[in-house]
Amino acid sequence: DAGVIQSPRHEVTEMGQEVTLRCKPISGHDYLFWYRQTMMRGLELLIYFNNNVPIDDSGMPEDRFSAKMPNASFSTLKIQPSEPRDSAVYFCASSFGLSNEQFFGPGTRLTVL
Amino acid sequence: GESVGLHLPTLSVQEGDNSIINCAYSNSASDYFIWYKQESGKGPQFIIDIRSNMDKRQGQRVTVLLNKTVKHLSLQIAATQPGDSAVYFCAEISAGKSTFGDGTTLTVKP
Repeated sequence: DAGVIQSPRHEVTEMGQEVTLRCKPISGHDYLFWYRQTMMRGLELLIYFNNNVPIDDSGMPEDRFSAKMPNASFSTLKIQPSEPRDSAVYFCASSFGLSNEQFFGPGTRLTVL
Repeated sequence: GESVGLHLPTLSVQEGDNSIINCAYSNSASDYFIWYKQESGKGPQFIIDIRSNMDKRQGQRVTVLLNKTVKHLSLQIAATQPGDSAVYFCAEISAGKSTFGDGTTLTVKP
């Protein structure tokens, strides 16, 4: 397996634009997680899915953020409209079972100007 | 205003020495703990885990110790190598939800 795949690896956009981050989890994993990492706040859990269903989105900062998982092999994290304070590295991770090792993707480095 | 980032603890060791990285966790109900390693430009990578019913677990060159009394976790790396240079995070899992520590930066001097 290629591991968790994220795209794009880097994204630079202007304030107010819509940003869509993509993730392909490891085949067979039933949990998918979205994290944000910044120097200010470290690694934060935004939302996670179980069998494509959102379970806990309490970490989503505000209504500008939304996440979907239309099928077991694809998830998106969307920011609309984006703001400079959204600049961070966004990681997707997947696992088999909830309380098990999570496999992280390489991350998407987002810069909002 | 001036921004303030996280001040990650740092540990600098000589190649071949043993390293000990510490982590204090907050939730006494956490039942599972994981140490992750994050190299520059990459996502966190699993190193070793431990369940709350254990106090020690050993891997190939790594050992994790859990002290539930004081809510403390440590990662010991034997014969540290330059490739071990990275940021190390502990994660505590309670009811399936992972909470990550701020991380410790390990630098290995050749």
